Order: sequence, then C-alpha cells, then structure tokens
Amino acid sequence: DAKTTQPTSMDCAEGRAANLPCNHSTISGNEYVYWYRQIHSQGPQYIIHGLKNNETNEMASLIITEDRKSSTLILPHATLRDTAVYYCIAGSGNTPLVFGKGTRLSVIA
Amino acid sequence: SQTIHQWPATLVQPVGSPLSLECTVEGTSNPNLYWYRQAAGRGLQLLFYSVGIGQISSEVPQNLSASRPQDRQFILSSKKLLLSDSGFYLCAWSVEDQQFFGPGTRLTVL
Repeated sequence: DAKTTQPTSMDCAEGRAANLPCNHSTISGNEYVYWYRQIHSQGPQYIIHGLKNNETNEMASLIITEDRKSSTLILPHATLRDTAVYYCIAGSGNTPLVFGKGTRLSVIA
Repeated sequence: SQTIHQWPATLVQPVGSPLSLECTVEGTSNPNLYWYRQAAGRGLQLLFYSVGIGQISSEVPQNLSASRPQDRQFILSSKKLLLSDSGFYLCAWSVEDQQFFGPGTRLTVL
C-alpha cells in the first residue's frame, strides 16, 4: 500500500469547514483513498473513499487531485463531536488497510 | 444492512491466563475479516486477516492466534496472556472496496 502523509494536528472553529489534507504521491492506479476517524475509546469510523472522482456523502466531501497524489477531506460545518483522529489511507479495496498516525483534529467552540 | 459484533466490550485478565475474543458479522457473505490491535496511545496494528474459512494470515509473530470456524465468525485466542497483550482489539470486515470496524474489546492484562 502507498504511504500517506498527514499533518499531526489541526484546529478548526466550530461551524467552520474543516479541510484535512493528505499526500499520497506513490499511490498506484488501483488504490483507493480512504478516510476514517477515531473518536477516543471507539473503533475507527468509515467516512468516505474514492478512486479518481470527487465524492460526497452525508458526512463529508473528498477532493482528489487530478494526478491523484493528494486529497482533501472536507467537513463542511465542523461540530465539537467531530473532534477525533482522522486517518487517510491508500489501499486496494479488499485488502488490509495500513493505518498511519493520522491528524488529530480539535474543533474549538 | 451489515453489522459487526464483538464481545466482550471490556476484559481484565491476569498474566498467564487464556484469552478468547469473538467477532461475528451479519448481513454479508464471504467477507474478508481482520483483527487489529491498538496499544494505549499508539496506532492500529494489523494482527491477522482471513479471506475464507480456515484461511488465516498472520502479520505479526506473537503469542496470539486466530481462527475462522465459520464464514462470518473470527476468533482471537491466546494460551497465556502477557502484560504486553493489553490494548484495544478491533475486528473489521471488508467486501469489495469497503472496510468497516467493530466496536472493539478493551483488554487489560494485570
């Protein structure tokens, strides 16, 4: 699986959009970009994933650059409950996902 | 819809005691199944994964073992627990391009 690079931590004001970047410059053509988050003491929660096109669901939007070397997860209106560690993973679908250290997002009132 | 169950939610065991953690998945057939462990303040470490009944791949050599007796059942075991086995154990399943995690079992070895 391709390695991903994320900032260690980020802050976001409550109600504002949270934009979490991820670099995956060695991603291969058949690898997806996955985003999960882990709130303290809970299991990782799936957020969104994509291959080439931008994706949106009820939780977030995923913007993937045309060269697929980086992506951004957007939480459109962050709330205090969005405070968590966010993991960006490049993986080929039905295989074990390799988790890095992620980005610790703190949403501030 | 698919759901994944893990039990127990929390467990406190003495050093040297055996361990059995169970994971079951509902609402899907022939999933890939995974066991991960997260030590306190650390990242997720893949322990085992299985692509079918009786098929187990081990990622990290240790005193743990896994078994898959049924299509949607995955069991993590140990004959003698070590202090270093303490952690948050997560079961996950995947079908095609999506992977989902269970609620986890928090194990404390004293």
